[in-house]
Amino acid sequence: EVQLVESGGGLVQPGGSLRLSCAASGFTFSSYWMSWVRQAPGKGLEWVANIQQDGSEKYYVHSVKGRFTISRDNAKNSLYLQMNSLRAEDTAVYYCARGLVPAYAFDIWGQGTMVTVSS
Amino acid sequence: QSALTQPASVSGSPGQSITISCTGTSSDVGSYYLVSWYQQHPGKAPKLMIYEVSKRPSGVSNRFSGSKSGNTASLTISGLQAEDEADYYCCSYAGSSPVVFGGGTKLTVL
Repeated sequence: EVQLVESGGGLVQPGGSLRLSCAASGFTFSSYWMSWVRQAPGKGLEWVANIQQDGSEKYYVHSVKGRFTISRDNAKNSLYLQMNSLRAEDTAVYYCARGLVPAYAFDIWGQGTMVTVSS
Repeated sequence: QSALTQPASVSGSPGQSITISCTGTSSDVGSYYLVSWYQQHPGKAPKLMIYEVSKRPSGVSNRFSGSKSGNTASLTISGLQAEDEADYYCCSYAGSSPVVFGGGTKLTVL
């Protein structure tokens, strides 16, 4: 079964850090672009970052540049999001998603992990 | 990069057809045939319904169709069913800031 499972969410104080993980199974992870997409409570979807198959290309939404780092370990079939200098506005459910290329669409999604930034 | 513009809500009766619009700019929707649509039920992850403007992934009902004209993309759902009640999001490739989503549309089946 093709599956993505996120972990690592939780409550963190403003200015703190958190590392999210996404474990992939059921497909050849190293063949796909991967993305993080977030959804603030009661709000819409926001693309956060994506990473090329071999990790050589990475892109970020403007609001997280310099604070978040996307990475992957193809040997472990895992995607990561290191989040530093967290702000209240980063509070959201974070989804990892598999990218369809060249469609720039997301065909497989995880169940999401909640990140709450609050003092 | 600004979010794509969608109506906040649309509604329809069972059996009817509805269309959700998604308006962008010449930097995103207008320049690329890379628009996708997602269905999201409450508390669930989004599900891909349409990609590359009008293509349906395997397993998605042919009641769902997509199109694009200029800077506006559209999702049409025909033969509306109760299970179609959900939030719908459009998404487009946007070049330098690669991906932008719409604000979402809540579909109510009356």
